[in-house]
Amino acid sequence: QKEVEQNSGPLSVPEGAIASLNCTYSDRGSQSFFWYRQYSGKSPELIMSIYSNGDKEDGRFTAQLNKASQYVSLLIRDSQPSDSATYLCAVINTDKLIFGTGTRLQVFP
Amino acid sequence: EPEVTQTPSHQVTQMGQEVILRCVPISNHLYFYWYRQILGQKVEFLVSFYNNEISEKSEIFDDQFSVERPDGSNFTLKIRSTKLEDSAMYFCASSDPGTSTSTDTQYFGPGTRLTVL
Repeated sequence: QKEVEQNSGPLSVPEGAIASLNCTYSDRGSQSFFWYRQYSGKSPELIMSIYSNGDKEDGRFTAQLNKASQYVSLLIRDSQPSDSATYLCAVINTDKLIFGTGTRLQVFP
Repeated sequence: EPEVTQTPSHQVTQMGQEVILRCVPISNHLYFYWYRQILGQKVEFLVSFYNNEISEKSEIFDDQFSVERPDGSNFTLKIRSTKLEDSAMYFCASSDPGTSTSTDTQYFGPGTRLTVL
């Protein structure tokens, strides 16, 4: 059974701080990794994809991938209250997404 | 910006009734998916669809479920005889194998909340 693991949180950070979200996956052959944001009652919204080891930056977001450790992370710089949501890590297996349970992030003013 | 759309946003039905959930994928996308999310749980894959046939399905996707692309734009999920445990958010997603940046990025619709009484 291919799994994606995340700490469910909540992760509470003050406004302006860096939020660090982590994810591990079990399938060593995985090649494609995604971070989605999900507000309560809404659908997953793609934030970033990453395919190669190392860092990938997009605005305030940085995804980090370490395939040897089977570890993906998402850093959110200058966190804002509007970033408060559940962040879903997902891995492609054949052509389907395998999601983690998500980490709930709370950014307080 | 193109987006996946879904109707209805909320469907209430009696146990044992048939429901059809509708999706319009992004117009140039060729891969289509259904996922569901039971309240408080993770998003789960149901089925993927390509070239007018199912390419993969999960063990959740039993004989009560079917998918169809009845025309060039719609993609539907039918549940033949709903059960209480089918109550969930159902998300449609699509992806485009032809982009230069990614062949597997999936974009989600807003979802249909299905409530089975």
